[in-house]
Amino acid sequence: DIVLTQAPLSVSVTPGESASISCRSSKSLLSSKGITSLYWYLQRPGKSPQLLIYQMSNLASGVPDRFSSSGSETDFTLKISKVETEDVGVYYCGHRLEYPFTFGSGTKLEIK
Amino acid sequence: QVQLQQSGAELVKPGTSVKLSCKASGYTFTSNHMNWIKQTTGQGLEWIGIINPGSGGTSYNVKFKGKATLTVDKSSSTAFMQLSSLTPEDSAVYYCARGREFAYWGQGTLVTVSS
Repeated sequence: DIVLTQAPLSVSVTPGESASISCRSSKSLLSSKGITSLYWYLQRPGKSPQLLIYQMSNLASGVPDRFSSSGSETDFTLKISKVETEDVGVYYCGHRLEYPFTFGSGTKLEIK
Repeated sequence: QVQLQQSGAELVKPGTSVKLSCKASGYTFTSNHMNWIKQTTGQGLEWIGIINPGSGGTSYNVKFKGKATLTVDKSSSTAFMQLSSLTPEDSAVYYCARGREFAYWGQGTLVTVSS
């Protein structure tokens, strides 16, 4: 199985500042079709996860452009610019390259 | 708008089975695969398996083979997951999520296995 390692476990951010979350894959997530199969999700407290980013760098519908993602075949970074209180929750990376799909263990974002 | 409405919380005894449902609306049910995901505090998010509502074809995480069985009822646009031989380790929140991107999620069903 592909292992996704996230860091840090938690991050505390002052509103208006930026935050970055790392996700490292045990295997290249570049598919034979040239698509990097890395996704980011946010789970707000008490809610279901929601899709933020698909195929490494594409913003999901309705997601503010304060969120961005980049990376290589195995190392990825989610950046949140100008953090707002509504950004609080746990961020997960996930891959869809092959079965079984797996997720990172999550990074908790808190507001200072 | 796309909605996935899951069935309510379950309190079940060890050794029994439970069948969870996920009713889809707002799109053509057979046009997107449906995934099931387990969430626990200790293990985070675990992908259980995926079903093609059009063909009924399934793929499972090896870890959940024999534990979970995925089915659909096209007439009611509903996906089901049956969990068998339940143990306390099966206590979790279970989600359904649409498509390979998991673009839409249900609200989750809490399953508690306890005698």
